[in-house]
Amino acid sequence: AQSVTQLDSQVPVFEEAPVELRCNYSSSVSVYLFWYVQYPNQGLQLLLKYLSGSTLVKGINGFEAEFNKSQTSFHLRKPSVHISDTAEYFCAVSDHPRAGGSYIPTFGRGTSLIVHP
Amino acid sequence: GAVVSQHPSWVICKSGTSVKIECRSLDFQATTMFWYRQFPKQSLMLMATSNEGSKATYEQGVEKDKFLINHASLTLSTLTVTSAHPEDSSFYICSARWDRDSSPLHFGNGTRLTVT
Repeated sequence: AQSVTQLDSQVPVFEEAPVELRCNYSSSVSVYLFWYVQYPNQGLQLLLKYLSGSTLVKGINGFEAEFNKSQTSFHLRKPSVHISDTAEYFCAVSDHPRAGGSYIPTFGRGTSLIVHP
Repeated sequence: GAVVSQHPSWVICKSGTSVKIECRSLDFQATTMFWYRQFPKQSLMLMATSNEGSKATYEQGVEKDKFLINHASLTLSTLTVTSAHPEDSSFYICSARWDRDSSPLHFGNGTRLTVT
């Protein structure tokens, strides 16, 4: 069974500093990986996704993530954060279904990114 | 593109009444819709998965008779919280996905339910 671990529940950072939000997953098969952002009292918005191909994935708002199969990680990075990046970030993984099944993504517990001026 | 509209955004109801939440995919056909519940500062808890025209698949521990899910068309799914109680107060989020399992989920903006 797949699982997603976001070790950092909260990441404080100063504006214009770089940031990395960590995500590790456990799955014995190929996976699809996603990062979502949630602003207060809103649904989730897709930041980026990895399906196959290049392991470095670029998303919206200047975010990027790198798939590392050997370390089963999919860390999210941004070289310079803004105040407006303050939000909750969720990593999600879908692995290939059993026969006849459907991909049901599993979400991590989320990481709260807090950007200080 | 890929907009999911969820209504209402917030609702207050009295204990014992029922509340219906609508989730619509506005510009794509959603073969699969997911309903989540989110507690404060926590991740999303999957309640059920619904496919158009078939019965929803509920996760373990989710009461089918309390959380009625209908997915009548490729663009509309509804969640009805029946005989609501204060412990049902929560943030409910729907998401929709079109035909490929590798497609990302597109989320509605959520519904804040408060049961008094």
